[in-house]
Amino acid sequence: DAGVIQSPRHEVTEMGQEVTLRCKPISGHDYLFWYRQTMMRGLELLIYFNNNVPIDDSGMPEDRFSAKMPNASFSTLKIQPSEPRDSAVYFCASRSGGGLSYGYTFGSGTRLTVV
Amino acid sequence: GNSVTQMEGPVTLSEEAFLTINCTYTATGYPSLFWYVQYPGEGLQLLLKATKADDKGSNKGFEATYRKETTSFHLEKGSVQVSDSAVYFCALSDRSGYSTLTFGKGTMLLVSP
Repeated sequence: DAGVIQSPRHEVTEMGQEVTLRCKPISGHDYLFWYRQTMMRGLELLIYFNNNVPIDDSGMPEDRFSAKMPNASFSTLKIQPSEPRDSAVYFCASRSGGGLSYGYTFGSGTRLTVV
Repeated sequence: GNSVTQMEGPVTLSEEAFLTINCTYTATGYPSLFWYVQYPGEGLQLLLKATKADDKGSNKGFEATYRKETTSFHLEKGSVQVSDSAVYFCALSDRSGYSTLTFGKGTMLLVSP
């Protein structure tokens, strides 16, 4: 199993541009989570899906952020327009439904820098 | 709501020293408890877990015991190595239908030779 795959690993973009982050969860996992990590705020849950359906997006900072999961093997997190304060490491994680005691499997993250 | 409190870092130790990273939690019911480790430039990896009171999770020489009476899950290792230098996150997952992980802010461990 290749684990949770995120792309790109690094993204540098100019303020105002659209940014799309991608995630491929582990096959068979029916929960997918997007987290943001910064020095100031630590790990923040942005949104999560169950069986491709968004369950809780209360952590999405504002309307500039959107996330989709068109199928069980792919999810995107989009920021439009991007701002310097969006600079962070964005992690995707997945979990199987019965995995309450198994925790999550995280991807390696996308380091986003908005200049 | 759920919350996890960890000791602030960095924790700086010499190789072979004893490690304790404190973690306390607030949750309704009986959550599952986890320790994750993040090495530089990588994602979080599950280190160990415990799913009920008095359970001890262990892995790679690290241990943590689920103490319901003190709502704690302290991470310990008897002899740290330079390769243990990383950020350690305590987390909990409650038992509601759509449970999510609540993380502490992380504790950086720096081990010098």
